[in-house]
Amino acid sequence: QQQVKQSPQSLIVQKGGISIINCAYENTAFDYFPWYQQFPGKGPALLIAIRPDVSEKKEGRFTISFNKSAKQFSLHIMDSQPGDSATYFCAASPSYKYIFGTGTRLKVLA
Amino acid sequence: DAGVIQSPRHEVTEMGQEVTLRCKPISGHNSLFWYRQTMMRGLELLIYFNNNVPIDDSGMPEDRFSAKMPNASFSTLKIQPSEPRDSAVYFCASSPGPNEKLFFGSGTQLSVL
Repeated sequence: QQQVKQSPQSLIVQKGGISIINCAYENTAFDYFPWYQQFPGKGPALLIAIRPDVSEKKEGRFTISFNKSAKQFSLHIMDSQPGDSATYFCAASPSYKYIFGTGTRLKVLA
Repeated sequence: DAGVIQSPRHEVTEMGQEVTLRCKPISGHNSLFWYRQTMMRGLELLIYFNNNVPIDDSGMPEDRFSAKMPNASFSTLKIQPSEPRDSAVYFCASSPGPNEKLFFGSGTQLSVL
């Protein structure tokens, strides 16, 4: 019940395309859903986050869609760029304890 | 602010040796976390401090692992004795409060031979 399932494991997208990464959770106590971006040799950095009182949050080219009834949330990267190539982690948290997904390695082809 | 600072960036040691990883959180942040990242298990929370006090150490794998936070600007994670299965990237992260944005350091790549 503490797991966050993330898919796909890897993703290749053409420059300008849309990248979509999905996550699912089971614990209804989770109330904070961040997405982290990690470049090789660096720590994860917060990209965008959402709380369950809204169904969508957009920041620039990045959008989180949240479906509370299905217990699913997804990250959409519009107009994907080669600089977006990184590993993306979803997470869910009821408090201080973040449960991270297993990560999606995104490669955007120039 | 320089962000969360971890040292060393890389550590190579032999099995049985003591390893100490260091972390300086962002000034003013009250919460500090140690995470371990491996291919097999992903990002795992090892221990969480709030106001320098260990709140949750349920993720510490075994007694060989210990962590301290003697003051608000410094924390250590010690492994004694180290084993090859401890090889991983260890991240320190801090946040202004328990359920707020996490800021990660660049990590320590530990290799135990």
